[in-house]
Amino acid sequence: SAVISQKPSRDICQRGTSLTIQCQVDSQVTMMFWYRQQPGQSLTLIATANQGSEATYESGFVIDKFPISRPNLTFSTLTVSNMSPEDSSIYLCSVGPGHSYEQYFGPGTRLTVT
Amino acid sequence: DAKTTQPTSMDCAEGRAANLPCNHSTISGNEYVYWYRQIHSQGPQYIIHGLKNNETNEMASLIITEDRKSSTLILPHATLRDTAVYYCIVRLFSSNTGKLIFGQGTTLQVKP
Repeated sequence: SAVISQKPSRDICQRGTSLTIQCQVDSQVTMMFWYRQQPGQSLTLIATANQGSEATYESGFVIDKFPISRPNLTFSTLTVSNMSPEDSSIYLCSVGPGHSYEQYFGPGTRLTVT
Repeated sequence: DAKTTQPTSMDCAEGRAANLPCNHSTISGNEYVYWYRQIHSQGPQYIIHGLKNNETNEMASLIITEDRKSSTLILPHATLRDTAVYYCIVRLFSSNTGKLIFGQGTTLQVKP
C-alpha cells in the first residue's frame, strides 16, 4: 500500500484568500485524485491528476477555482482559490491504482474559511 | 458506473457479526463491487472487492448474490473500532480513469 501525507493538516483562512494543499506519496503512482468532503457529507471527486497532463475536472469544479499541479509521480498540489465559507471542507488526496485497483487515501486537510 | 443503495445507518453489538447490505441492481457484467470504510476524521480505507464469487480477507467477507444485484459485507466479530461509515461502490476493475464515486454510505455504530 501507499503512504500518503498531506500538508497542512488543518488551516483557518479568511475569505478571499487562497490555500495550497500538498500531497506527497512514498512511491511513484500513476493516478492521483482530489476529493472534497463537506461537513456531514460523503466524498465528492474534484479532479483526477495524472503526471504530464492537465487535470481532469468533474462536473461542478473548474480549474480557476481549484488549480492542480502534478509535477512528478509522487507529488501533487491543490489550490483552493478566492475562498468563501462554502469552501470549508476536508480535502483529501488519493492515489491509485493498487494491485486490485483500489485507491489509497491521505489523512485529509481540514479547511475552515471565516 | 452503476449506482448503489445502502441503509443510512445500522447498529451492531460488540462481538457480534455486522452484516451491511448493498443494492446494485444496475451492475453490469464487468463491474466489481468494492467496499471502503471511513473512520471518523480519517481518510477512507479499502476493505475488500469482488466480482461474483464470495471473497474473504483478514478484515471482512463479501457475499454477492447469484444475480449480482446485491451484496453483503460481513464483519465477523465487530469491535468498537469498526464504528465507521461503510461505502459500497461499483466500478470497472480495470477502469482507466481509476476514480471512485462515493455514495452516502452506511454509518455503522458498534455498541458495547
